Amino acid sequence: DVKVTQSSRYLVKRTGEKVFLECVQDMDHENMFWYRQDPGLGLRLIYFSYDVKMKEKGDIPEGYSVSREKKERFSLILESASTNQTSMYLCASSPVDRVSYEQYFGPGTRLTVT
Amino acid sequence: GNSVTQMEGPVTLSEEAFLTINCTYTATGYPSLFWYVQYPGEGLQLLLKATKADDKGSNKGFEATYRKETTSFHLEKGSVQVSDSAVYFCALSDSGGGADGLTFGKGTHLIIQP
Repeated sequence: DVKVTQSSRYLVKRTGEKVFLECVQDMDHENMFWYRQDPGLGLRLIYFSYDVKMKEKGDIPEGYSVSREKKERFSLILESASTNQTSMYLCASSPVDRVSYEQYFGPGTRLTVT
Repeated sequence: GNSVTQMEGPVTLSEEAFLTINCTYTATGYPSLFWYVQYPGEGLQLLLKATKADDKGSNKGFEATYRKETTSFHLEKGSVQVSDSAVYFCALSDSGGGADGLTFGKGTHLIIQP
């Protein structure tokens, strides 16, 4: 089974702190993604990566950056956390599959910024 | 751009009732279509998928048929159970992309009462 793990299930940080959210997948997938999930807005793509050291902006990249130094690990960084970044963050991975582009999700990190 | 529209709910049904959750989409090219399910406190799990027109995806008693003429992918189940209570997301991936993220609907909260 594909496994995608995220470093924390719940996280509480203060405004202005630098926050790291870590994601690791064990299936040698090329593609990795970070989404945020908010009530009434569904899932929105923040950043994605299709290879080590490669990254692409998604729909809402402002206030975030990412790092992918190893194939299995994709980190989301909040340089200076703000209260409007309180949300559920979901990591996903997928193989290069030109048929279905199915993604596999981690359990999520619920981040609260106070 | 791509978009997915689904009924937001909450949808409340009695056990053994028939379920339909509507999903329509707008996309360029020939997308793959997905239904994901999110149980309380968990990440998203793939429920079923269809990769071309007239395909039917099915899993755990749920079904959805890819209708290109009506740009729809409605989720159905003949007899729901309390354990089906969850949030259901319709999503698409544009076959023209490679590593792009999925486009999600806003999710439908389903509540099944005993």
